[in-house]
Amino acid sequence: DQQVKQNSPSLSVQEGRISILNCDYTNSMFDYFLWYKKYPAEGPTFLISISSIKDKNEDGRFTVFLNKSAKHLSLHIVPSQPGDSAVYFCAASLTDKLIFGTGTRLQVFP
Amino acid sequence: SAVISQKPSRDICQRGTSLTIQCQVDSQVTMMFWYRQQPGQSLTLIATANQGSEATYESGFVIDKFPISRPNLTFSTLTVSNMSPEDSSIYLCSVYTGTSAYEQYFGPGTRLTVT
Repeated sequence: DQQVKQNSPSLSVQEGRISILNCDYTNSMFDYFLWYKKYPAEGPTFLISISSIKDKNEDGRFTVFLNKSAKHLSLHIVPSQPGDSAVYFCAASLTDKLIFGTGTRLQVFP
Repeated sequence: SAVISQKPSRDICQRGTSLTIQCQVDSQVTMMFWYRQQPGQSLTLIATANQGSEATYESGFVIDKFPISRPNLTFSTLTVSNMSPEDSSIYLCSVYTGTSAYEQYFGPGTRLTVT
C-alpha cells in the first residue's frame, strides 16, 4: 500500500515560470511532510518541510502548501531555474521514520 | 546538517557474493538509517541502525540478508549477502540529527550491480 503518492512522473517548465509538484498521502497520522531534491549519482538533498498543523511554509523560492482535508501537499518553485532540474521526492514522517513518494522528474528548459 | 560519506560509491558484484557498504558521518548523530532505491522506484527504508544493539528491520527485510553494524555514533555498515540480480539498487545511508521536522540527511549512495 503506497501511503505517499506522486502521480506525475515528470514535469517540464520554462525557466522563470512556476513549477508545481504535487503529492498525496493516505495516513492522517503523519506529523511532518518534507521535500527532497535528487540529482543523478547524488543522495537526496533536504529542501523544505511543513508541520501537519500548518498550511504553508516558505523558504526563498520554495513554498510548500498542505491541504489536510484533501490529504494533499504541493511544492511551488518560483521562479524556476535550469539548476532546479532534478527528481523531487515528497516524504512524510511517522515519528522518526520517513516514507517517500515515487518522485517527479522536473525539467526546467530555457 | 551533517556531512556523510559512503564507500564504495559503486560496485559490480557476482551473484552469490556479499558486499559491505560503509557509512561515515562527520559528527555524532542520534539515528542512522539504511535505504534502498531500486531502478525507477522510490526510496525504501531497510532498517534503523541502532548504536550498540541489533538493527530494527522494516517489513520485508531480514538480518540474514542485510546484516547491519553500528559500533559508534558516527559509523555504520550494511552488508548485502548472497546477492542476486534483484539486489541491484542504490543503497543510501541517512542520519537524523534530532531536529523537530525529522529531516534526514543522506549520503551520496552506493550503486550496486549484481551480475
